[in-house]
Order: sequence, then C-alpha cells, then structure tokens
Amino acid sequence: QQPVQSPQAVILREGEDAVINCSSSKALYSVHWYRQKHGEAPVFLMILLKGGEQKGHEKISASFNEKKQQSSLYLTASQLSYSGTYFCGTGGPTGNQFYFGTGTSLTVIP
Amino acid sequence: DAGITQSPRHKVTETGTPVTLRCHQTENHRYMYWYRQDPGHGLRLIHYSYGVKDTDKGEVSDGYSVSRSKTEDFLLTLESATSSQTSVYFCAIGRVETGELFFGEGSRLTVL
Repeated sequence: QQPVQSPQAVILREGEDAVINCSSSKALYSVHWYRQKHGEAPVFLMILLKGGEQKGHEKISASFNEKKQQSSLYLTASQLSYSGTYFCGTGGPTGNQFYFGTGTSLTVIP
Repeated sequence: DAGITQSPRHKVTETGTPVTLRCHQTENHRYMYWYRQDPGHGLRLIHYSYGVKDTDKGEVSDGYSVSRSKTEDFLLTLESATSSQTSVYFCAIGRVETGELFFGEGSRLTVL
C-alpha cells in the first residue's frame, strides 16, 4: 500500500529547484508531506485534501491530482536547510490509517 | 512540542527475547501509530489505535502486538524478537481533522 516516490535521491546546488513525485496504485483520499532531517523525527509540511488542490509553505508547494492518484512537491530556490528526506503520506478511506512512501533524499550543496 | 515521548530510546536485545516499546502522549489525542523505519523502505505502518482498547493492523504487523489501556499510552510488543526486527521505531499521534502527525523521537532497536 506504500506510495511510490521518485526520484529516490537528488542533489541540488543552492538556489536550484526540485520536484518530488508521489504516486499510488490505490485511490488517494489525501496526501501529506513530511521532511525528516538526519537522526531526527519526520516533521509535517502540509496536507492536500482535494483533487487538484495546491498548497504552499514558504518556498515549498505541492499539488494533488486525485484522478491520476499523484502528488508532487515543488521546492524552489532551494536552501541548505531544505536538505533531508521527504516523505509523502496517504490517508486511508476512513482517514485513520496513514501510509508513507519510500522517501526521497534531497541534498542541497553550496 | 506535541508532548510525545518514547522509551526506551535505544535497546539492544537478543533473538527470542520479548521487547516492549512505550509511547506516551500528554495531548489526549485519540489516534496513535507505530511505524518502523528501514533504509529503502521509508516509514511502514505496524499498528495504530483509534481509542482505548481499539487497535488495528497496519502493513507490517506480523510479529508485533499492541495494547492501549489508557489514552496516553500505546505499547508495542515484540513477543519473540528476531534480527529482521532490528529497526528504528517511531510512534506518532494524529490530528485526523488536519491530517497532521506528530512523531516521537524514535526508538532504535537492535536484535542480535
């Protein structure tokens, strides 16, 4: 039931943009995004509840295409602080279960 | 801080021994979750709870059991630990209305 994320890893220079994709073979009822820094717990970034919804968080935004069962996370003008592993998560039909993708490691270098 | 703590934070044990991990919250949230994190697999749901004595299985529940006798405590038990259960275990509490999960700091378990 795990969503699939791509790419698995990406290296950026400061100021560059990146896109992380999340797709599911099962229906997506909601999509949420988390960031985890090395040795720390995952931290919530945002949730998207409706098909076609887009949200933003500082220079990080996301879209959710319910019909395609896909979501994308957009990081613009990346900063060193953006480094970490990004996880997409999907809620189950009852909203009680949360399943996470395999993660995308993002490294921003000077 | 979301008021969630895990114990122990680190444990080394031997194959075949029972292990219990504890998750404690001070937020009075109804939903609590146990995940394990392994390289290449991300976060995988083991069990979750939607109230006192109400629990359900996740995607990797074999070899694990849980109990929730009080709102604030959610216990994860490995009845007979195996080396494949070596992992980092995260507990989370959830605000279902917002979809936001707050994670504990994790418990690193090594089974020799």
